[in-house]
Amino acid sequence: DVQLTQSPSSLSASVGDRVTITCRASQDVTNNLAWLQQRPGKPPKSLIYTASNLQRGVPSRFSGSGSGTDFTLTITSLQPEDSATYYCHQYNAYPITFGQGTRLEIK
Amino acid sequence: EVQLVESGGGLVQPGGSRRLSCVVSGFTFSNYWMSWVRQAPGGGLEWVANINPDGSEKHYVDSAKGRFTISRDNAKRSVYLQMNSLRAEDTAVYYCAGTGFWGQGTVVTISS
Repeated sequence: DVQLTQSPSSLSASVGDRVTITCRASQDVTNNLAWLQQRPGKPPKSLIYTASNLQRGVPSRFSGSGSGTDFTLTITSLQPEDSATYYCHQYNAYPITFGQGTRLEIK
Repeated sequence: EVQLVESGGGLVQPGGSRRLSCVVSGFTFSNYWMSWVRQAPGGGLEWVANINPDGSEKHYVDSAKGRFTISRDNAKRSVYLQMNSLRAEDTAVYYCAGTGFWGQGTVVTISS
């Protein structure tokens, strides 16, 4: 199975800050990686697909990059509503797997 | 507006069965792979199963193989998850997902 390791596991940042979350895969997943946002008590929401493509309706302050085994999610100009847990997931190989999540707190 | 609406959750005794349903609107359902993903209380996300557009190809996480069956009815714009031999560790919120959209989830609790 492809293991996805996210770092950090949690972070705290202020409104207007720029944050980066990384996701490292245990084997090459090419660009078949997506990022999700899950606010407390809510279902996941898709942000990024194929590593760097923004889902329709997602603010442009979210961006993704990477390929192979190393990926990043960057959020610029943090907003209060960005407080959430962020997950990466790969769909290059079965079983589809998720990272353990990164909890982002807005100070 | 895209909507995925799950139903069928509830309290089930260990060893019991449950069928989850997800009705989709707002995109061309018959063109897309559909998945079930679950989240145990306080836990992360776990992919359970997916199915291709015409229902001919299905994949499962190891813990679901032999117990769960995913299916779909394109005429009804619906995807299903039949769960048998349920265990305490199957307790979770079950989400239906497809082409970047997610439902609100349905809660399945396995307990005697």
